[in-house]
Amino acid sequence: DIQMTQSPSTLSASGQDRVTITCRASQSISSWLAWYQQKPGKAPKLLISKASSLEIGVPSRFSGSGSGTEFTLTISSLQPEDFATYYCQQYNSYPWTFGQGTKVEIK
Amino acid sequence: QITLKESGPTLVKPKQALALTCTFSGFSLSTSGVGVVWIRQPPGKALEWLASIHWNDDNHYSPSLKSRIAITKDTSENQVVLTLTNMAPVDTATYYCAHRIVGYGMAVWGQGTTVTVSS
Repeated sequence: DIQMTQSPSTLSASGQDRVTITCRASQSISSWLAWYQQKPGKAPKLLISKASSLEIGVPSRFSGSGSGTEFTLTISSLQPEDFATYYCQQYNSYPWTFGQGTKVEIK
Repeated sequence: QITLKESGPTLVKPKQALALTCTFSGFSLSTSGVGVVWIRQPPGKALEWLASIHWNDDNHYSPSLKSRIAITKDTSENQVVLTLTNMAPVDTATYYCAHRIVGYGMAVWGQGTTVTVSS
């Protein structure tokens, strides 16, 4: 199985901060990586597919980059509605696997 | 507009089987490139992929559950059924189904259904 490791596990930040979350794969997954945002009690929301392709309707302050084994999700200017948990997920090969999540909390 | 909704029992006893139905609208599982995925999330924990089924009957299962899990589709009824046998307390989780297009992540999710395994 491909292991996905996110860092940090928790991130404390203030509004308008620039935030970066890293996701590392235990082997190359090319660009077959998705990022999700999840708020408490809600289903995850897809933000980015193919490592850097922003879903329609997702604000442009979100961006993704990387390929191979190292990926980043960046929020350029944190907004109040962005405080949530973020997950990366590889779909290069089965079994698909998720990172353990990064909780972005208010500083 | 694509929607999905999970349904099934909220409480099952240990060793019983669980059958969850994902009823969807706005797409067809006979359309090339389309798939439905099941994911679960134990309380306070991370997301876990369980199984996927695609338009071409290409199915995949989590190896950790492979002896216990099955996924089937009813294209005419727009439903996908996930079956998990020999349930245990560690299977307590919120179960989600989601729509995906090959090459992309899971773009549309159901609201989830919480299943508790307890005697």
